[in-house]
Amino acid sequence: DAGVTQSPTHLIKTRGQQVTLRCSPKSGHDTVSWYQQALGQGPQFIFQYYEEEERQRGNFPDRFSGHQFPNYSSELNVNALLLGDSALYLCASSAGTITDTQYFGPGTRLTVL
Amino acid sequence: EDQVTQSPEALRLQEGESSSLNCSYTVSGLRGLFWYRQDPGKGPEFLFTLYSAGEEKEKERLKATLTKKESFLHITAPKPEDSATYLCAVRIAGNTPLVFGKGTRLSVIA
Repeated sequence: DAGVTQSPTHLIKTRGQQVTLRCSPKSGHDTVSWYQQALGQGPQFIFQYYEEEERQRGNFPDRFSGHQFPNYSSELNVNALLLGDSALYLCASSAGTITDTQYFGPGTRLTVL
Repeated sequence: EDQVTQSPEALRLQEGESSSLNCSYTVSGLRGLFWYRQDPGKGPEFLFTLYSAGEEKEKERLKATLTKKESFLHITAPKPEDSATYLCAVRIAGNTPLVFGKGTRLSVIA
């Protein structure tokens, strides 16, 4: 049973560029949540997708946007990258919007120069 | 404001030296408390979910307990492979996202 997968593993961008990160949820899961984790910090919630709609959003600017596809996979897009966007981006999947347990992928390490 | 605080920030143990990690929370209604293990540069690995005060769960050398204001992750006779950052997260009443603490970085020395 494949767990949550994310691509790419690492990414280096320069300020002002745009980036797209991808996530495939665990088999049987239909809800995807994205988190940003800065070095030495706990993950911070960005947003959650269910039934191809953004259901909840954390305290992140509109530069962060996302999408969920009919097969439940998801993308995170970040526009106008800032140095402070450098972080580990984590995708977590769960079964339904009110399920308790989220399972995380390996993450994408984004470095903005 | 809802808050999750983990202590200590870092803990260094000798192999076989048992100890506990603490997660205290101030939330307006707890739907669940979650423990995860995270290795450097990797995604968090799910360990336990606790729902109500008095609940306990065990897995190998780890045991998680929950009170009305805090949770403990007890590590019995740890091994070097238990070295990792342990994250605590809470979900408050209703359909809300996980709120994480900053984690406890555990090092177990052989």
